[in-house]
Amino acid sequence: AQSVTQPDIHITVSEGASLELRCNYSYGATPYLFWYVQSPGQGLQLLLKYFSGDTLVQGIKGFEAEFKRSQSSFNLRKPSVHWSDAAEYFCAVGRGNTGFQKLVFGTGTRLLVSP
Amino acid sequence: DADVTQTPRNRITKTGKRIMLECSQTKGHDRMYWYRQDPGLGLRLIYYSFDVKDINKGEISDGYSVSRQAQAKFSLSLESAIPNQTALYFCATSDLGNGHSGANVLTFGAGSRLTVL
Repeated sequence: AQSVTQPDIHITVSEGASLELRCNYSYGATPYLFWYVQSPGQGLQLLLKYFSGDTLVQGIKGFEAEFKRSQSSFNLRKPSVHWSDAAEYFCAVGRGNTGFQKLVFGTGTRLLVSP
Repeated sequence: DADVTQTPRNRITKTGKRIMLECSQTKGHDRMYWYRQDPGLGLRLIYYSFDVKDINKGEISDGYSVSRQAQAKFSLSLESAIPNQTALYFCATSDLGNGHSGANVLTFGAGSRLTVL
């Protein structure tokens, strides 16, 4: 069965500093990979996804993620964090076929942004 | 109006009571899902539905039931609520995810916080 590990429960970053959130997955085949963000009191919103092709994917709000098959990782990055980025971030892996994947979510990383 | 609307947003109930959480969507998506979020556990899939005649159990369906009343409506019921069902519940929808993308992108509601005393 597939699994997703987000090793950092909390991360604090200064505003303007760079950010990297870690995500490792366990899955036998090429996975579908997603990053979602949850702002306080809100549902989850898709930041970006990887299906195939270029291993560096761009998302909304200036985020990007890189798929590294050799490391089974899909880390999320942003070069300069804004205070509005404070939220909880979830990595998810989907197994299945083109058209439908049952998602397994990681436990989330809460990002705090300091002034 | 939100694309995916959940009601109620907050509910406090007592052990043994029947609870229904409702979800409606204006996305026109065929697929609908119910997830449960617990601190430190992420989101776990309770049930999902591909259309009004197709209901599937997720990884934690025990103690829950669902009804797909229409393409746009998917409700989650707790027949006899217990304290360990206290959680934040999310409804989500997705389209067929076909074509080159192939990825099953979920649109989430804002969540329903349920407390069982």
